[in-house]
Amino acid sequence: RKEVEQDPGPFNVPEGATVAFNCTYSNSASQSFFWYRQDCRKEPKLLMSVYSSGNEDGRFTAQLNRASQYISLLIRDSKLSDSATYLCVVNPGGGYQKVTFGIGTKLQVIP
Amino acid sequence: ETGVTQTPRHLVMGMTNKKSLKCEQHLGHNAMYWYKQSAKKPLELMFVYSLEERVENNSVPSRFSPECPNSSHLFLHLHTLQPEDSALYLCASSRTGPNTEAFFGQGTRLTVV
Repeated sequence: RKEVEQDPGPFNVPEGATVAFNCTYSNSASQSFFWYRQDCRKEPKLLMSVYSSGNEDGRFTAQLNRASQYISLLIRDSKLSDSATYLCVVNPGGGYQKVTFGIGTKLQVIP
Repeated sequence: ETGVTQTPRHLVMGMTNKKSLKCEQHLGHNAMYWYKQSAKKPLELMFVYSLEERVENNSVPSRFSPECPNSSHLFLHLHTLQPEDSALYLCASSRTGPNTEAFFGQGTRLTVV
């Protein structure tokens, strides 16, 4: 099993749609989780951290399910500008950051 | 502006050349990283420096040689690369600790000819 697994997509959704991505991780001791966004030929940028209680930032909601070892990202009312690749990032913890990136899920929002 | 700056942004080099990638961060972080991103592959962690000491080296070929002279600067020295080394090389920095996020530079797109 891969350390971090994501469906690479692409997910093609119409504007205004709600879309959800899941990401599973293999290390049950993992301590922190993030979603990054990467636009074509650009660097990854932090979208949001994922907390145990779940967190919301505008149209974006991230959730963590430790029992099933997955995190999710929900995007409501999709905009054209949401088109990007969304990277799941898992940190197993330790004295320094030793993160593992998923391959990313590509989202294409269609007019 | 993420506070992490990489130069050059693009680099084309021959297999016999020697070049260096530079990364600089102004965020007061004490850990810096080199990642490689190839097409259709996840980011691969290459090297980690924590408090200027190399703490991670993920079986990277010796033709890649990192250098971290201080907590704000990180270099990746390249020599006798292969065409399959062509990729986007990303530098990142963070505070140390398990719950901190990394901030990335804009990357150097390297082509080996």
